[in-house]
Amino acid sequence: AQSVSQHNHHVILSEAASLELGCNYSYGGTVNLFWYVQYPGQHLQLLLKYFSGDPLVKGIKGFEAEFIKSKFSFNLRKPSVQWSDTAEYFCAVTLKAAGNKLTFGGGTRVLVKP
Amino acid sequence: SQTIHQWPATLVQPVGSPLSLECTVEGTSNPNLYWYRQAAGRGLQLLFYSVGIGQISSEVPQNLSASRPQDRQFILSSKKLLLSDSGFYLCAWSGPPGRTEAFFGQGTRLTVV
Repeated sequence: AQSVSQHNHHVILSEAASLELGCNYSYGGTVNLFWYVQYPGQHLQLLLKYFSGDPLVKGIKGFEAEFIKSKFSFNLRKPSVQWSDTAEYFCAVTLKAAGNKLTFGGGTRVLVKP
Repeated sequence: SQTIHQWPATLVQPVGSPLSLECTVEGTSNPNLYWYRQAAGRGLQLLFYSVGIGQISSEVPQNLSASRPQDRQFILSSKKLLLSDSGFYLCAWSGPPGRTEAFFGQGTRLTVV
């Protein structure tokens, strides 16, 4: 069965620090990759997505992610976080061979201290 | 534009009672439809997945079932709720064949008492 792993459950950092959240998936084949964010009290929203092409993807709010096929990874990064980046972040994958069902990782709660 | 409606937003039900949560999508056709349960610290657990009318994949054994009676309607049901069914349930849709992001409903907070 396909699975998505996010290594960190909780991350605490100060404003202006750099952020990197890990995401790995457990299968080969053609995948589409996503990062979603859920701010406190709000709906899930898309940060960025990768379908094909340049493996370095830029999303909203200064976030980017890099797809490394050989490592089955899609890590999320932001060079300098702000207090408003406090949220829960979810990595998600669709696998073409599995009918493109969307599977999420367990999420990472990020707290940015002012 | 496409919209997704999920209701009710909150629900309190006694143990042993039935459940029906409804989700409808507008502005698209033949979407992939999903039911997820979101629990603190456990992320989004995929419960059911549908690629078309009457086509339901169940991801985890549980006390719940799903149906898709129409192309843009997805229903989550239970005949008898358990305390462990309490949680936050999210409906979502994506455009086939999975090359678009998923869009989520507002969610339903279910409390079984």
